[in-house]
Amino acid sequence: GENVEQHPSTLSVQEGDSAVIKCTYSDSASNYFPWYKQELGKRPQLIIDIRSNVGEKKDQRIAVTLNKTAKHFSLHITETQPEDSAVYFCAAISGGGADGLTFGKGTHLIIQP
Amino acid sequence: GAGVSQSPSNKVTEKGKDVELRCDPISGHTALYWYRQRLGQGLEFLIYFQGNSAPDKSGLPSDRFSAERTGESVSTLTIQRTQQEDSAVYLCASSFPSGTTDTQYFGPGTRLTVL
Repeated sequence: GENVEQHPSTLSVQEGDSAVIKCTYSDSASNYFPWYKQELGKRPQLIIDIRSNVGEKKDQRIAVTLNKTAKHFSLHITETQPEDSAVYFCAAISGGGADGLTFGKGTHLIIQP
Repeated sequence: GAGVSQSPSNKVTEKGKDVELRCDPISGHTALYWYRQRLGQGLEFLIYFQGNSAPDKSGLPSDRFSAERTGESVSTLTIQRTQQEDSAVYLCASSFPSGTTDTQYFGPGTRLTVL
């Protein structure tokens, strides 16, 4: 089955700086890679996703890059703001989705004022 | 429109009792997923429904866990003879498959505490 590794587990950055979270996956058949943001006690919210036929996707301050050959993908947040503080999860899924999403263990992002 | 809803939001039970957790997916979403999230951990996939069919139940942690779905709507996750290690947040997600892997939208979860 799929295995997703996520680093770092905790990331502290100064407000206004950039944050990068990296994930690797094991199953070359995985073709969809979402990123979820989860605030304390809340449900995971999709913030951006990328499919395997695309190398990079950007949405305002958030971007995701995918390297299929190396089987890794990264989340980039620029001009960080206090409201970006949360736990971020990467995930991967293959085919029609019958195996469910395999999640990384999460990154606790702390934005220092 | 309405998002994924789950009930109850919190459930406290005694060890050995049975519990039933409910998920109402987004209307029209044919795919439904259950996940478990232990405190401070990532999400662990449990089971997937396409319509009311669950082709693979191997993700369920033990035979005390079962799940059903009525048509393309409500799903229930039942845990029999609960144990303390079952304490977690149980999250449900739904998606509308369109031939490719589609975005999963999560419900608020049910926080289960087994005393």
